[in-house]
Amino acid sequence: NAGVTQTPKFQVLKTGQSMTLQCAQDMNHNSMYWYRQDPGMGLRLIYYSASEGTTDKGEVPNGYNVSRLNKREFSLRLESAAPSQTSVYFCASSEWGYEQYFGPGTRLTVT
Amino acid sequence: EDQVTQSPEALRLQEGESSSLNCSYTVSGLRGLFWYRQDPGKGPEFLFTLYSAGEEKEKERLKATLTKKESFLHITAPKPEDSATYLCAVQASDNFNKFYFGSGTKLNVKP
Repeated sequence: NAGVTQTPKFQVLKTGQSMTLQCAQDMNHNSMYWYRQDPGMGLRLIYYSASEGTTDKGEVPNGYNVSRLNKREFSLRLESAAPSQTSVYFCASSEWGYEQYFGPGTRLTVT
Repeated sequence: EDQVTQSPEALRLQEGESSSLNCSYTVSGLRGLFWYRQDPGKGPEFLFTLYSAGEEKEKERLKATLTKKESFLHITAPKPEDSATYLCAVQASDNFNKFYFGSGTKLNVKP
């Protein structure tokens, strides 16, 4: 079992470029999440998907879009990257309402 | 506003020197409080879930406790391999898919 996988591991973008972060889980969980982690601020929820076919905004959704492609996969898209989106991005999954399992993260730098 | 505060921000201990980490929270209604461990460059790893005041959970040298306004993570006779950042998160009872994380306590255990 790989658990939660994320690609890419590292990415450098220029302001205005777009990219998609990919996440997949093999635990048959219904719920999936995207967080960003910045120094001194803890993990902040960007978007979540409570079940296949649904997505909802978290604390900091501006500048991001998500797609729940199927039960396994949940992607995060930055349409026009900004330096304020420099962060470490984590995907997580859980059985509805229970503990979350996190991926290894994507380190994104926007110059 | 739902809020989670962890203290101290950083803690240095000698091997064998027991201590406690604090997580205080304000939430409209608490469904669960979660503790995670995060190693540098990795995603958070689940440790415990606590659901009601007075509840305790133990795992090796770690014990988590919960009151109505805060949780403690007690570390007994720590070893260098316990060095990590410890995160707590609260889950509100009005939305099981929203988790609010503290900024963490970075623990360094010296041999």
